[in-house]
Amino acid sequence: DIQMTQSPSTLSASVGDRVTITCRASQSISSYLAWYQQKPGKAPNLLIYKTSSLENGVPSRFSGSGSGTEFTLTISSLQSDDFATYYCQQYNSYSLTFGGGTKVEIK
Amino acid sequence: EVQLVESGGALVQPGRSLRLSCAASGFTFHNYVMHWVRQAPGKGLEWVSGISWNSGSIGYADSVKGRFTISRDNAKNCLYLQMNSLREEDTALYYCVKALLVVREVIGFFDYWGQGTLVTVSS
Repeated sequence: DIQMTQSPSTLSASVGDRVTITCRASQSISSYLAWYQQKPGKAPNLLIYKTSSLENGVPSRFSGSGSGTEFTLTISSLQSDDFATYYCQQYNSYSLTFGGGTKVEIK
Repeated sequence: EVQLVESGGALVQPGRSLRLSCAASGFTFHNYVMHWVRQAPGKGLEWVSGISWNSGSIGYADSVKGRFTISRDNAKNCLYLQMNSLREEDTALYYCVKALLVVREVIGFFDYWGQGTLVTVSS
């Protein structure tokens, strides 16, 4: 199975900050990477798929980049609604695997 | 509006069985690959299983292979997960999830999630 490693596991930031989360795959996954946001007590919400395609309705302050084994999720200007946990997910091959998550906290 | 409503979660003893159900509405169910994803308390997300629109392609995580069986009834717009030989490490919130797109077979990513049903395995 492909292992997905996210860093950092926790990130403290302020409203207005630029935030970057990294996701590394144990082998190449081409561009088959998605990002999800999860708030406490809620189901995950799709943000980005195929590395950089923004899901309908997701604010443009979210963006994704990368290829092969290294990927990033960037929030250009953090808003209060963005404090949550973020997960990457590879869909290049079985088993579908998620990163361990990055919790974005208020500084 | 897409709705995925899971049911069937319960407290069960190790070694016992449980069947989860997911009622889908608001989209053409038989056109989409469906999955189960779980989340242990305070932990991350773990893919469990996926099934193609016609049940012709099915995938399982190694951790559940041979114990869990995914199925669907397109006439009833329902997804199921039969869980046998349950272990304490199967304790989790189980989400029913709709795939938006697939690369091949059931390999894809997810656009709609239910609210989950809690399975607790404990003696």
